[in-house]
Amino acid sequence: DIVVTQSPDSLAVSLGERATITCKSSQSLLYSSNKRDYLAWYQQKPGQAPKLLIYWASTREFGVPDRFGGAGTGTEFTLTISSLQAEDVAVYYCQQYYSTPYSFGQGTKLEIK
Amino acid sequence: QLQLQESGSRLVRPSQTLSLTCTFSGDSISGSHYSWSWIRQPPGKGLEWLGNIHFSGTADYNPSLTSRVTISVDTSKNQFSLSLSSVTAGDTATYFCARGGEAAYSIWGQGTMVTVTS
Repeated sequence: DIVVTQSPDSLAVSLGERATITCKSSQSLLYSSNKRDYLAWYQQKPGQAPKLLIYWASTREFGVPDRFGGAGTGTEFTLTISSLQAEDVAVYYCQQYYSTPYSFGQGTKLEIK
Repeated sequence: QLQLQESGSRLVRPSQTLSLTCTFSGDSISGSHYSWSWIRQPPGKGLEWLGNIHFSGTADYNPSLTSRVTISVDTSKNQFSLSLSSVTAGDTATYFCARGGEAAYSIWGQGTMVTVTS
């Protein structure tokens, strides 16, 4: 099974500043036939279902603000929020959907400094 | 508008079977490009993928739960279901249904909290 590990567990960033979360996978998530990485990022606010932000490691879901960006390939990935807004306070999860059982990182709690 | 909605028992006694249904609205569940999944989240903890099913009925489960979990699909009702047997307090969680595909999980149900208690 693929293990996905996020860092840090929690992060406090000032409004308007950059926030970066890292996700590492125990195996490559790059599918050779289409050169896509099967890594997604989600945002979850209290009492809500997770919301998809990024899929294929760097493709922004429709309607997601462009301050959210995903990067990386293979086994190392990052989610960057370029200019933190108050509404971005949430827990963020990465997920590999390269092979079952699909697995999530443990989550990163993002707060305002 | 594409939506998923969970329904089922919110209180389950230890050793009994947890049963939930997810209804998809806005399109047919028979789309070949998608899988239909159950994901759970214990209070204050992270997300755990339980398994998925395709409209054909082919299912895949988390090995940590394989002996206890069954996912089925009813295309005539545009629904898929979760059955988790021999539950314990450790199965207390919010259970989400979601649609999966090349673009990961883009559609989620709102989640339903299930408590295992005697």
